[in-house]
Formats: sequence, C-alpha cells, structure tokens
Amino acid sequence: EVQLVQPGAEMKKPGESLKISCKASGYIFTNFWIGWVRQMPGKGLEWMGIIYPEDSDTRYSPSFQGQVTISADKSITTAYLQWSSLRASDTAMYFCARPKMYYYGSGNYGIDAFDVWGQGTMVTVSS
Amino acid sequence: DIVMTQSPDSLAVSLGERTTIHCKSSQTILDSSNNKNSLAWYQQKPGQPPKLLFSWASTRESGVPDRFSGSGSGTDFTLTISSLQAEDVAVYYCQQYYRTVSFGGGTKVEIK
Repeated sequence: EVQLVQPGAEMKKPGESLKISCKASGYIFTNFWIGWVRQMPGKGLEWMGIIYPEDSDTRYSPSFQGQVTISADKSITTAYLQWSSLRASDTAMYFCARPKMYYYGSGNYGIDAFDVWGQGTMVTVSS
Repeated sequence: DIVMTQSPDSLAVSLGERTTIHCKSSQTILDSSNNKNSLAWYQQKPGQPPKLLFSWASTRESGVPDRFSGSGSGTDFTLTISSLQAEDVAVYYCQQYYRTVSFGGGTKVEIK
C-alpha cells in the first residue's frame, strides 16, 4: 500500500527551529516528486513547494521561498520540511502529498494531480 | 503565477439537488504534450487530508461516485454533483498543475 506517514503534532515556541517528516512507503521513492501544502486554521490549501528525491531538485512557491527548506533523504525514503526560526503565524496543518506522473515522450515525465496524501502534521507555535 | 478563482465561496443545497462549483484560471492550463487541461478537483472533509476526485479536468479517480462530474477547458472549469448526498458535505478545491501548482480558495458545500 502506498503511504505517506507524518507525525501528528508538534508544539514549539517562537524563534525555535523545527523539521517535520513525511515517511514514504509502498512505492519507489526516487521516481516521484513529493510536495508540501499548508492549511492555516479554518483556511484553504496553500502550495509551498516540491522536491524530486532522486536528485533533490526543489521548487518553491514564491510565497514560501526563503521561509522554509524542503529536503529529502533517499536512504530512508523520507521528505522533510523545516524552519530555522518559527513564528506564531506558522501555526498550521502541514500536509505532504505525492503526485501521479505521466509520460509525455522522449524519456520525459510530467507531474499529474496529487493522489496520495499524508494525514498532516499540526504545528503549533506559541509562547 | 497562475491564480485559481473559485465560486461561490459556499453554498447550501437540499439533499438530492444539483450542485455546481466553478473554477477559473488566470491563464490557460492546457498541456500541449497531451492536449489535456492540467486541472484537478479535491474534496476535503473536516479532520482529513484532501481526496483527489478528478485529474485532467474530467478524469474521475477510481471509487469516486458517478454523481460527481468534472468539465471545462481553457480557463473555465466546473465540478458538478448531480444529486447531493449527506456524505458530500465538504470543502472542494480546484488545483492547477500546469505551472508548478496552485489551489483555488475552496467552496464549502452544506446541506440546506
């Protein structure tokens, strides 16, 4: 079974650092991108960025560039989202998600919709 | 960046009634490699991650009831529920994956 497993919750103080994980299983980790999505309390979904674990090619949404770091460790099939200095405004649910891939010729694959999602990690930043 | 605009923000519909949600992209999201629109629809219920309903604007995911349908092309897309059931109460999001990724603001569907 294809799965993305995330820790349920993290509580931190403003200014602290944090790295949350997304453990993948049931598929070849290096063949698929993994993305991160923020959902602030009572709000909609916001795209943060995506990483290709095979070569760590990473793309960020302009809204999150410089605010977070996305990484992956192929050896343990895990993707990460990290902050160096948390703010209260980072309080949110964070989902990792894996897109389908489609082949469009000449050895190239494109990103399709996101069919596998983690359960989310609720990050609470409060003094 | 491609901006996705959904309407309405919320709607209340009687059980068994038809529900239509609109999504508009700020530019075309037609993928020339396959001539398909890079548009997905998701359903999110409270306390759950989003669930993929449709990709390529109208390709239904396995297990999604056929009362749900997706349509549209170019910049205008629609999600329709032909006969609303109680279990369809949720927030629905459109998403483009043509140029990186972006989501619409969501449409909350409730029972009248």
